[in-house]
Amino acid sequence: SQQGEEDPQALSIQEGENATMNCSYKTSINNLQWYRQNSGRGLVHLILIRSNEREKHSGRLRVTLDTSKKSSSLLITASRAADTASYFCATGIIQGAQKLVFGQGTRLTINP
Amino acid sequence: DTAVSQTPKYLVTQMGNDKSIKCEQNLGHDTMYWYKQDSKKFLKIMFSYNNKELIINETVPNRFSPKSPDKAHLNLHINSLELGDSAVYFCASSQDRGGTAFVAKNIQYFGAGTRLSVL
Repeated sequence: SQQGEEDPQALSIQEGENATMNCSYKTSINNLQWYRQNSGRGLVHLILIRSNEREKHSGRLRVTLDTSKKSSSLLITASRAADTASYFCATGIIQGAQKLVFGQGTRLTINP
Repeated sequence: DTAVSQTPKYLVTQMGNDKSIKCEQNLGHDTMYWYKQDSKKFLKIMFSYNNKELIINETVPNRFSPKSPDKAHLNLHINSLELGDSAVYFCASSQDRGGTAFVAKNIQYFGAGTRLSVL
């Protein structure tokens, strides 16, 4: 079964509003990463948070990690039309090498 | 220059055929991956190679055979294609096999994908 589950599956907001996406996972992790996928394109790395970190910022992105609840959230502040994309969380699991296990993604639509 | 490039971008073929997808990265990375994204957008790892050595091999039908002639290339050959093989296949690379405290080594860089349609 998939490691990560994302919530909501789809989110539609107005430009300028904040968008929050959540991710839950099942096993111990080394790190958790968020990726963005524009329609018809490959995934682009956004931010990585290590298992011993609780919060991380990068520009308009804020990621939190709660290992006791096995959950993470991605907050995009002051959203823009260009933020429209699918967002995936991926848990980094070490099995000899790092294996990324992806959630099903959240489809974010920013309305102008 | 595209960092991770895959060819072809689209592949339409008949059931039972054999096809290959090629991937090349110019980032100097040691590790490469193949992922499959199904129609519901689930993205699942299939294989990973580190310096031409297979390091991750998920439960994938043996009709799928990866080949890494050198660390900059990882090709995927699929025999006897089936309808269920229709998906988007992504190649990715990372500096090395990851799992260390160095953040950069845990980040993966993806190609644009190959949309495979089996008729």
